[in-house]
Amino acid sequence: AQKITQTQPGMFVQEKEAVTLDCTYDTSDPSYGLFWYKQPSSGEMIFLIYQGSYDQQNATEGRYSLNFQKARKSANLVISASQLGDSAMYFCAMRVEGYGNNRLAFGKGNQVVVIP
Amino acid sequence: NAGVTQTPKFQVLKTGQSMTLQCAQDMNHNSMYWYRQDPGMGLRLIYYSASEGTTDKGEVPNGYNVSRLNKREFSLRLESAAPSQTSVYFCASRGLAGARAGELFFGEGSRLTVL
Repeated sequence: AQKITQTQPGMFVQEKEAVTLDCTYDTSDPSYGLFWYKQPSSGEMIFLIYQGSYDQQNATEGRYSLNFQKARKSANLVISASQLGDSAMYFCAMRVEGYGNNRLAFGKGNQVVVIP
Repeated sequence: NAGVTQTPKFQVLKTGQSMTLQCAQDMNHNSMYWYRQDPGMGLRLIYYSASEGTTDKGEVPNGYNVSRLNKREFSLRLESAAPSQTSVYFCASRGLAGARAGELFFGEGSRLTVL
């Protein structure tokens, strides 16, 4: 079964600093996708970034980048130049490819507060 | 574009009452999902529907039923609400295959309180 682990306690980050959010996963399937979502206090879920297990390069989307270490089963999110609007919960999620497997499993989330 | 629309956004029930959460998507997605979110627990899958006419249990299906009425609509029903079902419920649909296969598009959430 898929398992996603996010264990960091809540984090305070200085505005304009970078922050790294840890995510480890466990799967025996060779083909899978990793996602990060942001949930601000307003409650909506916002897609941030995706990494496929066969992608050769780490994914980047603007200020977001994914530090993908396949051997360690780690997919950490890096937010560069933090902004006040980055204060939110961040969820790591994984989808395992393959016939019949059609679900996304989520970690418990990391709380980030950006301070001016 | 509306994307994924959930109703109602807020609901208060008494123990034992029933209700249905409605969800509709206009992106022609095959797969739809119901998750619940509780503090410190992340999102947990209740039920999902891979395509019209099919439904499957997720991680926490007890106390819920679902109906995939057509390709657009996927409803979640609580037959006899319990306080343990107090939560925020998210409906989602799954994007098409491709570079971001598996990306979920979420509704705004429905906050349910069971007294």
